[in-house]
Amino acid sequence: QSVLTQPPSASGTPGQRVIITCSGSSSNIGSNFVYWYQQLPGTAPKLLIYRNNERPSGVPDRFSGSKSGTSVSLAINGLRSEDEAHYYCAAWDDSLSGSYVFGTGTKVTVL
Amino acid sequence: EVHLVQSGAEVKKPGESLRISCETSGYSFTSYWIAWVRQMPGEGLEWMGIIYPGDSDTRYSPSFQGQVTIYADKSTSTAYLQWSSLKASDTAIYYCARPAGSGTFMQIDYWGQGTLVTVSS
Repeated sequence: QSVLTQPPSASGTPGQRVIITCSGSSSNIGSNFVYWYQQLPGTAPKLLIYRNNERPSGVPDRFSGSKSGTSVSLAINGLRSEDEAHYYCAAWDDSLSGSYVFGTGTKVTVL
Repeated sequence: EVHLVQSGAEVKKPGESLRISCETSGYSFTSYWIAWVRQMPGEGLEWMGIIYPGDSDTRYSPSFQGQVTIYADKSTSTAYLQWSSLKASDTAIYYCARPAGSGTFMQIDYWGQGTLVTVSS
């Protein structure tokens, strides 16, 4: 019952650019920062992008985030085999008593 | 260095109670929120709730309100997630996580390794 909608899958060959979208509403993406998490198989999620488009130290600059209105996107440039993972957007939601919400998740496959 | 170490996998029967733990170290336990996140088999991440150990302020996602209890022990820097009566649908991996910031500034910088809970008769 996630309020942030992502495509279930995306794919590309090594070196290609892949874009993942995340759609929300005015109570979450429209009025709050968005974060992206990467979850490699069998591991805990890892923060990939914070405050819409900032990268934590250690995250390659191949990853970038952008926001427009109530939608955001994550771009992976120069796709690499190690990028095969699930990606989740997330944001604070001001509705009800406030809560963090995750996107439905997108599985990126490197062909 | 910040560490969140969760208790081991559990296998329980429907109706049983359970408490899983998240032992923290490397930072001031009472100064940061601790969150719990569920991941059902083959599914995505779900926010369950958070606790601020400094004053025990606890907030639950509407989907989990009344279904679980989150609490923290300041003396051991450990957070807990508790069920009074498990259901098969509680089968999942449960992650504890330490966000930095609050509200719009909430970003989850640190995660535990996850605890697999299996509920089956």
